[in-house]
Amino acid sequence: QITLKESGPTLVKPTQTLTLTCTFSGFSLSTSGEGVGWIRQPPGKALEWLTVIYWDDDKRYSPSLKSRLTITKDTSKNQVVLTLTNMDPVDTATYYCAHGTGGDPYYFDYWGQGTLVTVSS
Amino acid sequence: QSVLTQPPSVSGAPGQRVTISCTGSSSDIGAGYDVHWYQQLPGTAPKLLIYRNSNRPSGVPDRFSGSKSGTSASLAITGLQAEDEADYYCQSYDNSLINWVFGGGTKLTVL
Repeated sequence: QITLKESGPTLVKPTQTLTLTCTFSGFSLSTSGEGVGWIRQPPGKALEWLTVIYWDDDKRYSPSLKSRLTITKDTSKNQVVLTLTNMDPVDTATYYCAHGTGGDPYYFDYWGQGTLVTVSS
Repeated sequence: QSVLTQPPSVSGAPGQRVTISCTGSSSDIGAGYDVHWYQQLPGTAPKLLIYRNSNRPSGVPDRFSGSKSGTSASLAITGLQAEDEADYYCQSYDNSLINWVFGGGTKLTVL
């Protein structure tokens, strides 16, 4: 049974760096084919893909956010960490991590509950 | 503005059939990339509903079906039930943007 859970701050100030952790169980990111993605959803708006990390440490980033995004994994802790620099109020959203599967490119078959991050001074 | 175009809303009475379209381009759906569908009930995380165009994960009722043709895909829901009221999103991949892409979402209202 695969589960994922996001954790991190609920409020950040403009220009600060956001760091979110996705802690998962039921799979290992050292296993071939496995991956984790981050997707966000501003209040009342659509889903937006941010980044994906593969089992072999390959990483993909949204072109529009690439300069601000970093994704890393800690296989021993079953965690994936997202950092987003220079936060702005437009980055206010619910951030989801999700299990990627189905080969390249992935689809996302299990999602975390999401964490709402508000950017405000 | 989303890369994949969905109608903002659809509606139907209980028991009826509705379809939700997802229109892409030659760099995503038309390039042969699969389309996946997610259901997002109010206040909850998205849930995978259809993968690889027409496949249902275990536990998804066969009232839900998906298809793909050319640069578009569709989600059909038959025998509408009140519990189907949710937002539905299509997802694919765009090889010009090198990007996973989502549709703008469709709100389904069961009348």
